Amino acid sequence: QKEVEQDPGPLSVPEGAIVSLNCTYSNSAFQYFMWYRQYSRKGPELLMYTYSSGNKEDGRFTAQVDKSSKYISLFIRDSQPSDSATYLCAMSGGSGGYQKVTFGTGTKLQVIP
Amino acid sequence: DVKVTQSSRYLVKRTGEKVFLECVQDMDHENMFWYRQDPGLGLRLIYFSYDVKMKEKGDIPEGYSVSREKKERFSLILESASTNQTSMYLCASSLFGTDLPDNEKLFFGSGTQLSVL
Repeated sequence: QKEVEQDPGPLSVPEGAIVSLNCTYSNSAFQYFMWYRQYSRKGPELLMYTYSSGNKEDGRFTAQVDKSSKYISLFIRDSQPSDSATYLCAMSGGSGGYQKVTFGTGTKLQVIP
Repeated sequence: DVKVTQSSRYLVKRTGEKVFLECVQDMDHENMFWYRQDPGLGLRLIYFSYDVKMKEKGDIPEGYSVSREKKERFSLILESASTNQTSMYLCASSLFGTDLPDNEKLFFGSGTQLSVL
């Protein structure tokens, strides 16, 4: 069983839709939860991060963490064609020094104009 | 803006060749990483370095070595390239900090698509 599971998609939605991207994980030591966005032929870029459980909002993006269920989500409101990319969840133990970051396999999102 | 630059965007090599992938970052980051990205497998850590001349094995170090002679430069070496090393190679860097989540905020280069024939 992989430490981090992520539905690969692809996910295709019309412009303006609300998008929900999800990951589950098995390692209860994870404390830092991140979402990276990767455009085609580019490297991933950090979109959002949260520490422990709870929600974090940044513009049209909301990250949620439910540690009791080992489940994290990224919501995109009013999706735009420019949001078309692969979204990777990532997580780490986060207890200081270098902590290995474990990535999901990524969900490919296409927003249709 | 942090810039992580990988020397080649596309590279085609033959089986058995020695291959060098170069990465340079301009933000004085202590940590540097090499990942490979394959469909269905995601990003897998090959090696990382938290200081000059220091290196640590990641999850899949077999068939690879690294060199970090200067803080800003981290090289990945395929000693004898094989077809199963055909992949997208991504270099990343991050700060070494005691305040989270500096270490986990990875800044990636655009990647090198390596094909081994």
